[in-house]
Amino acid sequence: SAVISQKPSRDICQRGTSLTIQCQVDSQVTMMFWYRQQPGQSLTLIATANQGSEATYESGFVIDKFPISRPNLTFSTLTVSNMSPEDSSIYLCSVVAGEGTDTQYFGPGTRLTVL
Amino acid sequence: SQELEQSPQSLIVQEGKNLTINCTSSKTLYGLYWYKQKYGEGLIFLMMLQKGGEEKSHEKITAKLDEKKQQSSLHITASQPSHAGIYLCGAPGGTSYGKLTFGQGTILTVHP
Repeated sequence: SAVISQKPSRDICQRGTSLTIQCQVDSQVTMMFWYRQQPGQSLTLIATANQGSEATYESGFVIDKFPISRPNLTFSTLTVSNMSPEDSSIYLCSVVAGEGTDTQYFGPGTRLTVL
Repeated sequence: SQELEQSPQSLIVQEGKNLTINCTSSKTLYGLYWYKQKYGEGLIFLMMLQKGGEEKSHEKITAKLDEKKQQSSLHITASQPSHAGIYLCGAPGGTSYGKLTFGQGTILTVHP
């Protein structure tokens, strides 16, 4: 299994500001994803973070609002831009560890509150 | 698109009791994940099922995928307060490789 860490674990931000969330994995992984979990809701995929190229976004999510970087096979960032209270959620990164397995592991999450 | 429906939405049991959570898909499942989430935290991987009729166990938790691959159940034997949390089923599918669609979750409370 992969060990995943996220920073920050939680934050309280003001409307109109941006926050960058980091996801670090202890081993090289083939795929990394970013999910959002709004209060009382289940998880929704935001995008697939592609190493060395632009992320692939799901319907309803755009790069200007959620820019993603993945400079290598162990690290990715998600930025939540121009935040509003509706962006208050838990943001989770997940990974598929490698060849021969489809098991998807999740990080501990970043709890974001926007005032 | 695939939809997963979990039942019950919430469950309150006395410590030591057995319980079952169900996850039903609108389409054939090509894999089914079970995760546990503590409130406000990340997801802990429990088990993944892929074959019809498959059953896996870990400690006191057993998960099954039916032969038709449209329903899965998660059974906890002799529940403990440490089992409390939100249980989520997730399934791959859709247009994005690796994307998981999740059920709405089942909130489990275990009273000592």
